[in-house]
Amino acid sequence: DIVMTQSPDSLAVSLGERATINCKSSQSVFYSSNNKNYLAWYQQKPGQPPKLLISWASTREAGVPDRFSGSGSGTDFTLTISSLQAEDVAVYFCQQYYSAPPCTFGQGTKLEIK
Amino acid sequence: EAQLVESGGGLVQPGRSLRLSCAASGFTFHDYAMHWVRQAPGKGLEVVASTSWNGEGIGYADSVKGRFTISRDNGQNSLYLQMNSLRVEDTAFYYCAKGSAYSKGYFDSWGQGTLVTVSS
Repeated sequence: DIVMTQSPDSLAVSLGERATINCKSSQSVFYSSNNKNYLAWYQQKPGQPPKLLISWASTREAGVPDRFSGSGSGTDFTLTISSLQAEDVAVYFCQQYYSAPPCTFGQGTKLEIK
Repeated sequence: EAQLVESGGGLVQPGRSLRLSCAASGFTFHDYAMHWVRQAPGKGLEVVASTSWNGEGIGYADSVKGRFTISRDNGQNSLYLQMNSLRVEDTAFYYCAKGSAYSKGYFDSWGQGTLVTVSS
């Protein structure tokens, strides 16, 4: 199975500042035949199910604010929130869907306000 | 818009069985893979079982292999998870999730979850 490792486990950022979450896969999730990275990011707020933010490593879902962006390729990926808002407090998970089923998630990164 | 509603959770003793259901609406159910994902309180996400659009491509987490069975009824727009030989460590919220494609894919819709508590 592909192991997904996120860093840091928790993060405190001031309102309006940049937040960066990293995700590393134990093997490449890049599929050369279609030039795509099989990597997604989710946001989970307390008492709610996860919500898809980004697919294919960098494609934002409809309705997701443009302060959220995804980057990276192969085994190393980043979720960036360019200007942290209070409503962004949540746990963030990366997921690989290259090797499936079943696919695997990172352990999560808890984002708080400093 | 896709809607997923789980049911069937509850308190069960170790070694007993439970069957979860997920009622789907708002999309063409038989076109998409479906998944069960669990989350122990305060913990991360684990994909327990996945099924392709026609039920022929199925996978399980090692932690449940041989005990849990995923199935789907495309005529009833429903997904199921039969859980046998339940253990205390199976205690978690169980979410039904819609795949983005007929087989592999990310999870673009989630239900609210149903809580399974395994305890004597």
